[in-house]
Amino acid sequence: GENVEQHPSTLSVQEGDSAVIKCTYSDSASNYFPWYKQELGKRPQLIIDIRSNVGEKKDQRIAVTLNKTAKHFSLHITETQPEDSAVYFCASYNYGQNFVFGPGTRLSVLP
Amino acid sequence: GAVVSQHPSWVICKSGTSVKIECRSLDFQATTMFWYRQFPKQSLMLMATSNEGSKATYEQGVEKDKFLINHASLTLSTLTVTSAHPEDSSFYICSASPGTTPPEQYFGPGTRLTVT
Repeated sequence: GENVEQHPSTLSVQEGDSAVIKCTYSDSASNYFPWYKQELGKRPQLIIDIRSNVGEKKDQRIAVTLNKTAKHFSLHITETQPEDSAVYFCASYNYGQNFVFGPGTRLSVLP
Repeated sequence: GAVVSQHPSWVICKSGTSVKIECRSLDFQATTMFWYRQFPKQSLMLMATSNEGSKATYEQGVEKDKFLINHASLTLSTLTVTSAHPEDSSFYICSASPGTTPPEQYFGPGTRLTVT
């Protein structure tokens, strides 16, 4: 079945710097890759997603890139702010396998 | 829009009893609902997927007789943990999808179950 790895497990950046989180997946049939943000004690929220027919997608300070050949996708956050501090989960999906989540990255943005 | 509620938010039960958790989509019809389990500081593990009016599809390793899932309407799914044991203590989160392809997930706030 699908396996999703996520790195790094923890990441600390200074406010205003960029943060990059990378995920790799194993199933070449996976075709949808969402990213979720989970603040402490709160529910996960979708922040951005990308489909397999797209290489990059951007939404203000957040972007996601996908390399299907290498089977990895990355979350890029620019101009980080303290409110970006949270745990970020990547996930992969295909109709046959359903959702598989990465182990998460704890991002801390230091003021 | 796209609000999902869960009830109860936390529950304590004795070993051997059963507990029911409700997941509701408040402002949309959820053709598919997902149930996850999350251990402290760990990722979400998909337990099962339910489509309205159909039997739930369980992930490998999840006991369907222990974790009973019912999706009786387009706004309500329930998870019943039967004969609960301390190892069932966990955070259970549901998500609901309005039937988009691929499925957009809107998560509930979660239910913390403690079995004593």
